[in-house]
Amino acid sequence: EIVLTQSPGTLSLSPGERTTLSCRASQSVSSSHLAWYQQKLGQAPRLLIYGASSRATGIPDRFSGSGSGTDFTLTISRLEPEDFAVYYCQQYGSSPWTFGQGTKVEVK
Amino acid sequence: QEQLVESGGGVVQPGRSLRLSCAASGFTFRTSGMHWVRQAPGKGLEWVAVIWSDGSITKYADSVKGRFTISRDNSKNTLYLEMNSLRAEDTAVYYCARDVGGSPFDLWGRGSLVTVSS
Repeated sequence: EIVLTQSPGTLSLSPGERTTLSCRASQSVSSSHLAWYQQKLGQAPRLLIYGASSRATGIPDRFSGSGSGTDFTLTISRLEPEDFAVYYCQQYGSSPWTFGQGTKVEVK
Repeated sequence: QEQLVESGGGVVQPGRSLRLSCAASGFTFRTSGMHWVRQAPGKGLEWVAVIWSDGSITKYADSVKGRFTISRDNSKNTLYLEMNSLRAEDTAVYYCARDVGGSPFDLWGRGSLVTVSS
């Protein structure tokens, strides 16, 4: 099983700031099958990034993903009020599918 | 529009059973792999089970193997999760999610809350 470790656990930021979230895998993620999801309180997760760096349909270009192998990042170039949420990485290259524990981006 | 709607959640005693359903609409259900993902109160996401588009292959998380069964009826555009021998630690919101051929989960339902308590 591939274990995903996200850091930091919580980020306290202000609107307009830039931030980078980290996701580290216990072994190489095949074919960069790494996704990022955003989840707001009381809502289902929403796909942001797939294939480590491709934005899903309708996702603003302030969200970007990068990385390969075992180290991946999600960058939000300029935080909008609606971006304060919890972010999860997921590997979907091998069973069992696994998620990181999440990074909460909160208002400072 | 494309939609997944879960139903069947509720309060159940430990050791009892419950069946969740997930009704799909707005897309070709029979060509999509489908998953169940759960989220315990205040916790992160945990993958539970997957079923291939034709139902030929199913896989489970170790935490539910032998107790949960995923199935589907492509004629009814519906996904199921039969949960037996429920435990307190199975308490969670259960989401169904779509996987189009080895892809990430691009469509999610709103979730159905299962509470296991005496």
